[in-house]
Formats: sequence, C-alpha cells, structure tokens
Amino acid sequence: KNQVEQSPQSLIILEGKNCTLQCNYTVSPFSNLRWYKQDTGRGPVSLTIMTFSENTKSNGRYTATLDADTKQSSLHITASQLSDSASYICVVSAGFSGGYNKLIFGAGTRLAVHP
Amino acid sequence: GAGVSQSPSNKVTEKGKDVELRCDPISGHTALYWYRQSLGQGLEFLIYFQGNSAPDKSGLPSDRFSAERTGGSVSTLTIQRTQQEDSAVYLCASSSGSHRGENYNEQFFGPGTRLTVL
Repeated sequence: KNQVEQSPQSLIILEGKNCTLQCNYTVSPFSNLRWYKQDTGRGPVSLTIMTFSENTKSNGRYTATLDADTKQSSLHITASQLSDSASYICVVSAGFSGGYNKLIFGAGTRLAVHP
Repeated sequence: GAGVSQSPSNKVTEKGKDVELRCDPISGHTALYWYRQSLGQGLEFLIYFQGNSAPDKSGLPSDRFSAERTGGSVSTLTIQRTQQEDSAVYLCASSSGSHRGENYNEQFFGPGTRLTVL
C-alpha cells in the first residue's frame, strides 16, 4: 500500500532555531518527492522537488534531503522565522505508464515558531 | 498572471442540501485536481482531470460526490444531500502536466472553499 508518514505531527520552536522534519514513504513506483508549505487558510505551495537521483535540494533557508534506499526524506529549516509557522506536507509521486502520476500526501507537520 | 481561484470562499449549508463548489484553474493547465482537507488532517484526493481523458474518480468518498470539468477549464464539484461529515476545506489544484525539471508535477493550489454543514 502506498503511504507517506510524517513526523513529528507538530513542533514548536523558538525564532532563530533550526529544525528538521521527517518523511518516510512506501510508494512504488517512485517518481519524485515534493515538500509543500501550507499557511493557515491557504493552499499548499511547493518548496522543493527531488527525483530518485537527487539527495539534496535547497531553497533559501529550506534544505530537503532524500535517501531513496531507506525511502526517507527530511526538510531542514535554518534560522527559523515567525513566517515559517505553517504545515509542511511531504508528497510522493508514483509514476505510472502513460505519464500519469498519482500523488500520495503525508498528513503534514504543523510547525509553530514562537518569538 | 492569475492563480487558481475558487468560489465561494465559505459555504454554510443545512444537512441534506446540495452544494456546488467552483474552481478556475490557471489558464493553459491541462490537469485539475480536487482534494478535501478536514480540520487538522492531511489532504484527501478526490478526483483528477487530465485533458480529454476520462477522470480518475477513485478518491470520491460516495456517489453523493461528483465533478465536472467543462471545456477543459472550469470545474465544479457537486455534493448532493450534504452530511455533517462533509464539512471540510475543499481545495482545487491545477498543473501544466509538465514532465520537466522543477515544474514536474507541480500543483498550484487555490485558497479553498470552507464548507460547513449544519
């Protein structure tokens, strides 16, 4: 069964601190993995995408890693800001013939950055 | 350019009534998705449209749910005989269907419609 599990479910950190969010998946056939940020009351917005051959990708203060062997990904946030408070969603794409990709969503990690 | 828009932003209805939710995707995007997000939960896939292909309806929770995409653009999600458990945020996303680089599979989400069934 295709599944994406994220941990922790929620996290509180102080402004300026770093944190790491985890994503474990059992998706086959694996196509790519994307991290989304969802602010409260808004739709998710893509942060990074990684394919099978990539093991790290940065977007500003966000750095995502991928270990395709262990089927794990992490999202590291450096020097957190209050605006980082949001839900972070790990989404894995299963690639099928004909170019159709089915997305499997994790439940998300809810991050709160406090001053 | 304009992003994905959805209307209404909020909808309150009585149990048993029908509701229609609208999604205007980004112009030129061939793929359109509907998701449901219950409070504090992850996104639940409902239905996927790609061009003129038959839609993937595998996520629709019951036959009370249906969706159409007219002219390959605007989509309407209809919920008949609404129940309290239908209360959620309904998100629409569109994608260019690109299979290249950073744009691969990227879905652009609308702000959602918050549905409350009393």
